[in-house]
Amino acid sequence: GQQLNQSPQSMFIQEGEDVSMNCTSSSIFNTWLWYKQDPGEGPVLLIALYKAGELTSNGRLTAQFGITRKDSFLNISASIPSDVGIYFCAVAPLSGAQKLVFGQGTRLTINP
Amino acid sequence: DSGVTQTPKHLITATGQRVTLRCSPRSGDLSVYWYQQSLDQGLQFLIQYYNGEERAKGNILERFSAQQFPDLHSELNLSSLELGDSALYFCASSVGTTEETQYFGPGTRLLVL
Repeated sequence: GQQLNQSPQSMFIQEGEDVSMNCTSSSIFNTWLWYKQDPGEGPVLLIALYKAGELTSNGRLTAQFGITRKDSFLNISASIPSDVGIYFCAVAPLSGAQKLVFGQGTRLTINP
Repeated sequence: DSGVTQTPKHLITATGQRVTLRCSPRSGDLSVYWYQQSLDQGLQFLIQYYNGEERAKGNILERFSAQQFPDLHSELNLSSLELGDSALYFCASSVGTTEETQYFGPGTRLLVL
């Protein structure tokens, strides 16, 4: 089946540092999404990317849809304690079926 | 708050039992999706309903079934439960059947003992 390779699996950083994570696939996708999940909560949509090469920002978050349509990255600038959580990339397959395929997640831990 | 509600928040049951999880989508959303999140499998798509009809199926076991009612709420039924069914079950909703932006509920944590 379709698989996303998300890296790194976990990150331990100091408050104030910038964060970068990425997601790659061997298949082409038309839509890349980034979600954040807090403990005990459902995933919350952070950024949606619909066009190859698109660079989109949401506050301190910036995400890009790779030009090959096979990858995406998410950057967080000047991290703060509330950024702690698990970040998932997700794609909507070209087939039109609306299931989302998720990466395995990047667990972000911030030391104050 | 995504606007998607799920009940119950926690459920503890025994192997062999049957449970029903409930989801109410955001106001105006016609599509409901069910996902399972376990430690070793990540978030896995189970099934999608749109306006009462099944639209897409993922890796859903035959012991599991779902439906969407006329008021658009959905139920996921899990039967003959096994230890490995312990997981978080999330419901998500979207406006239509081609809308990729899905909004997730808080989930139901199922523990099978």
